[in-house]
Amino acid sequence: EVQLLESGGGLVQPGGSLRLSCSASGFGFSSYAMTWVRQAPGKGLEWVSVIGGDSGGIQYADSVKGRFAISRDNSKNTLYLQMSSLRADDTAVYYCAKYYGSDISGRRLFDYWGQGTLVTVSS
Amino acid sequence: DIQMTQSPSSVSASVGDRVTITCRASQGIGSWLAWYQQKPGKAPKLLIYAASSLQSGVPSQFSGSGSGTDFTLTISSLQPEDFATYYCQQAHSFPITFGQGTRLEIK
Repeated sequence: EVQLLESGGGLVQPGGSLRLSCSASGFGFSSYAMTWVRQAPGKGLEWVSVIGGDSGGIQYADSVKGRFAISRDNSKNTLYLQMSSLRADDTAVYYCAKYYGSDISGRRLFDYWGQGTLVTVSS
Repeated sequence: DIQMTQSPSSVSASVGDRVTITCRASQGIGSWLAWYQQKPGKAPKLLIYAASSLQSGVPSQFSGSGSGTDFTLTISSLQPEDFATYYCQQAHSFPITFGQGTRLEIK
């Protein structure tokens, strides 16, 4: 059974940093691209970033480019999102999701999702 | 960026009704479209990919159609568990974008 478990969310002041983790199990982690999608309270879904199975390809939404960094450790089956220069509009539930394939430019679909971790940016 | 626009934003319906949700892309995306269902406090769930392919395990009352810029999600006979918010997502190019969502409520 595919399982994705996010952690690392919490309350952070504007301008601060936070690192999210997503622990994966139940599938060949290194064979799949992984992605982060966020959802502000009461709002819709916003794609954040994606990383290829071998970390060979990375893409970011313009809203986080230069502030967030996605990475993965295939030996630990873990995906990360390092967030810095956080702003109030980064407040959201952050979901990690499994891509349909290993190539970020293949099927840009998310077939399994974690339950999310809440990041609140406030003073 | 490709903008995705869903209509309606919300719809009220009864168990057993047939419901159709529309999604329009700001430029042609072929069949690179997915639909997700999200229930309150839960993660989204993939329902349809490639515009019309049913994800494994998804009930057959869900169906998708369309290509280019205009797409539809149809629920043929609403079940109580189908009341949720539905999102379309273009899988054509980066940045990946979602529609604003359609909330399906019980009448």
